[in-house]
Amino acid sequence: GDSVTQMEGPVTLSEEAFLTINCTYTATGYPSLFWYVQYPGEGLQLLLKATKADDKGSNKGFEATYRKETTSFHLEKGSVQVSDSAVYFCALREYGNKLVFGAGTILRVKS
Amino acid sequence: DAGVIQSPRHEVTEMGQEVTLRCKPISGHDYLFWYRQTMMRGLELLIYFNNNVPIDDSGMPEDRFSAKMPNASFSTLKIQPSEPRDSAVYFCASSPWTGVNSPLHFGNGTRLTVT
Repeated sequence: GDSVTQMEGPVTLSEEAFLTINCTYTATGYPSLFWYVQYPGEGLQLLLKATKADDKGSNKGFEATYRKETTSFHLEKGSVQVSDSAVYFCALREYGNKLVFGAGTILRVKS
Repeated sequence: DAGVIQSPRHEVTEMGQEVTLRCKPISGHDYLFWYRQTMMRGLELLIYFNNNVPIDDSGMPEDRFSAKMPNASFSTLKIQPSEPRDSAVYFCASSPWTGVNSPLHFGNGTRLTVT
């Protein structure tokens, strides 16, 4: 079945550091890919998405590129802020409408 | 747009009691999902509805769990009887259409503690 694998956290960075959170997936078809973010005490929010190979999703300085050849969708940000501290979830969705999530990666940014 | 509304935000109950969690999806959204989040198992899809009809309940852990959607603006998730291992954060989410590009909109969750 479909699955998503994320790098384990927590990831701890200093402010203005470069961020990469790795995500790889397994799917039977041609899924859409998503990154969601969860701030403390809140539900998940869509951060960005990509719907076909080589698409780049971007939002709030975060980017991720849909790489079909490596089945990856790594999240990057050039300069993190303390306010980016949250849990980040990679996810995929195929025609069956189930959104499959990775385990989540905790990001902690120190000032 | 008020977003997905869940109630209560926190629920503390004793083992064996019945628990009912409530969700109001975003108006016009045809799909409604119930998820459970724990440290050990992450996010698990319990059940989802399309136009008020349950489509897939394969994630419901056992018969103690039941979910209903009597109309387009309201859904409940009930646990009877509750057990300590049911302690988790339960999220409701809704989605406007069937396309794979359509993201889910999540509520803020109900934190359930069963003692």
